[in-house]
Amino acid sequence: AQSVSQHNHHVILSEAASLELGCNYSYGGTVNLFWYVQYPGQHLQLLLKYFSGDPLVKGIKGFEAEFIKSKFSFNLRKPSVQWSDTAEYFCAIQGGSQGNLIFGKGTKLSVKP
Amino acid sequence: ETGVTQTPRHLVMGMTNKKSLKCEQHLGHNAMYWYKQSAKKPLELMFVYSLEERVENNSVPSRFSPECPNSSHLFLHLHTLQPEDSALYLCASSQARSATSGNTIYFGEGSWLTVV
Repeated sequence: AQSVSQHNHHVILSEAASLELGCNYSYGGTVNLFWYVQYPGQHLQLLLKYFSGDPLVKGIKGFEAEFIKSKFSFNLRKPSVQWSDTAEYFCAIQGGSQGNLIFGKGTKLSVKP
Repeated sequence: ETGVTQTPRHLVMGMTNKKSLKCEQHLGHNAMYWYKQSAKKPLELMFVYSLEERVENNSVPSRFSPECPNSSHLFLHLHTLQPEDSALYLCASSQARSATSGNTIYFGEGSWLTVV
């Protein structure tokens, strides 16, 4: 069965700190990988996605993620966070013949000004 | 603006009420989804429609009844819900259902449901 594990439930950082949010998945075949972000009171927005090619994917707002196939991981990074990055971040996979997403539980990021 | 519009944004209903959530997508997509987002739980897929045909029902109780009259509209009919059904219900759409085509799923803003 497909599953997604996000290691941190709540991360608190100061502005300008570097960010890395962990995401591991379980699936035996080829997967597409996504990070979505949900700002307070807003809808889920796509941050970045990996389908194939370069395993280092750059997304919006300075975020990037690296797909490491051997580790079944797709960690999200940002070199320097801002207060406006305060949000909940969801890792998701999409595999096989099904187009629907399987989500992790999410990681809440709080950035202190 | 996501291209996926949900109404109402907030709904409070009693356990004996019948209400419906509505979703409309303006993206020309062929697949639509209902997800449930509860506190401290991962987003749960409820229903999938592809070309107006239901292709997946993830063991959702019958008090939730989806309807997809055309590829642009999706409804979730609610009847005799329980307080534990209170959650954010998210509608989403994608070009197709297959993961092999590298589909991106776009979400609406959600409908907050409170069952009293």
